[in-house]
Amino acid sequence: AQSVSQHNHHVILSEAASLELGCNYSYGGTVNLFWYVQYPGQHLQLLLKYFSGDPLVKGIKGFEAEFIKSKFSFNLRKPSVQWSDTAEYFCAVNAGRGSTLGRLYFGRGTQLTVWP
Amino acid sequence: DTGVSQNPRHKITKRGQNVTFRCDPISEHNRLYWYRQTLGQGPEFLTYFQNEAQLEKSRLLSDRFSAERPKGSFSTLEIQRTEQGDSAMYLCASSLGSRVKTQYFGPGTRLLVL
Repeated sequence: AQSVSQHNHHVILSEAASLELGCNYSYGGTVNLFWYVQYPGQHLQLLLKYFSGDPLVKGIKGFEAEFIKSKFSFNLRKPSVQWSDTAEYFCAVNAGRGSTLGRLYFGRGTQLTVWP
Repeated sequence: DTGVSQNPRHKITKRGQNVTFRCDPISEHNRLYWYRQTLGQGPEFLTYFQNEAQLEKSRLLSDRFSAERPKGSFSTLEIQRTEQGDSAMYLCASSLGSRVKTQYFGPGTRLLVL
């Protein structure tokens, strides 16, 4: 079965610091990659996605992620975080064939706390 | 708001009781997914539908769990003879199309089994 690893469970930063959250997956075939964010009291929202093409993808609110196929990674970055970025971030992978293309495999999530 | 809606938002039940949750997807979305999320973990896939057809079920979906989407619109997830281990957030998502697409999530139903 596919798995998704997020190595940082809790990250604490000051405003204006740079952010990088790691995400690694285990699947050797074609993958589709997502980062979702869950702000306090809200539901999961899509931050950005990669299906094909340019491996550097830009999302909402200044976030970007880079797909490195050789490293099975899809790390999330933001050059300067804000207090409002405090949230839980989930990496998700869609992989497989046929009907299994429906499911998303999620990582455990990374709680980001930004101090003003 | 035309996003995915779920009802109820919270449910407390006693062990052994049956519970049913409802999910209304975004209008015209033909795919509907159910996930379960426990504390400190990411969502885990349970099952998904394309229109009325249930295309995949996870091994997490024991015989006590059943999901339906009779008319290809809303879906229900029923848990029979609930156990304390069923306590979790149950998430619903929907997407449009027959191949990989972005899944849009609802607010979830939080279940507590006493």
